Amino acid sequence: AQSVTQPDIHITVSEGASLELRCNYSYGATPYLFWYVQSPGQGLQLLLKYFSGDTLVQGIKGFEAEFKRSQSSFNLRKPSVHWSDAAEYFCAVAAGSSASKIIFGSGTRLSIRP
Amino acid sequence: ETGVTQTPRHLVMGMTNKKSLKCEQHLGHNAMYWYKQSAKKPLELMFVYNFKEQTENNSVPSRFSPECPNSSHLFLHLHTLQPEDSALYLCASSTTRDRDNEQFFGPGTRLTVL
Repeated sequence: AQSVTQPDIHITVSEGASLELRCNYSYGATPYLFWYVQSPGQGLQLLLKYFSGDTLVQGIKGFEAEFKRSQSSFNLRKPSVHWSDAAEYFCAVAAGSSASKIIFGSGTRLSIRP
Repeated sequence: ETGVTQTPRHLVMGMTNKKSLKCEQHLGHNAMYWYKQSAKKPLELMFVYNFKEQTENNSVPSRFSPECPNSSHLFLHLHTLQPEDSALYLCASSTTRDRDNEQFFGPGTRLTVL
């Protein structure tokens, strides 16, 4: 069955430090992968998505993610975090052609240390 | 008002009450979604509407009743809820149901069932 695993429930990094959030997926075909961010009191916002082509995907707010088929991973990275990046981050995989088939991970909460 | 709006933002109700959640999108989208976000659980898709027609009901209990009078408005009618229904209810919309189209989320309604 298709699934998404975010192994880290909560991560704290210092402001200005680099960030990597892990995501592993299980899907038989070529996956469509997404990263969303949810700031406190807000809905989810799409950061980036991978459908095909270059395995390094650039997104908004300075984020990028790398698709690694051999590791079934789609980790999110940012070279230098800002206090405003504190939020919950969700990885997702589309298990079909419809948006209704998007499966979300449980999320990783990111805290920023001043 | 732009984007996806939801009202009310917070709702406390007893198990015998009847209430409704409202979602409105000003993006000209044709697909609308209801999601349930519970603590420590992945986002759960509840209902999908496409051009005002319900296309998916993910085994949601009948105490949740959606309504989509037009492509811009989506309601979730609630009656005889249970305490375990307490959660953040998110509305989203997209141009079409295709997974390629970004879903835009509202800020959610925080529901507490006493």
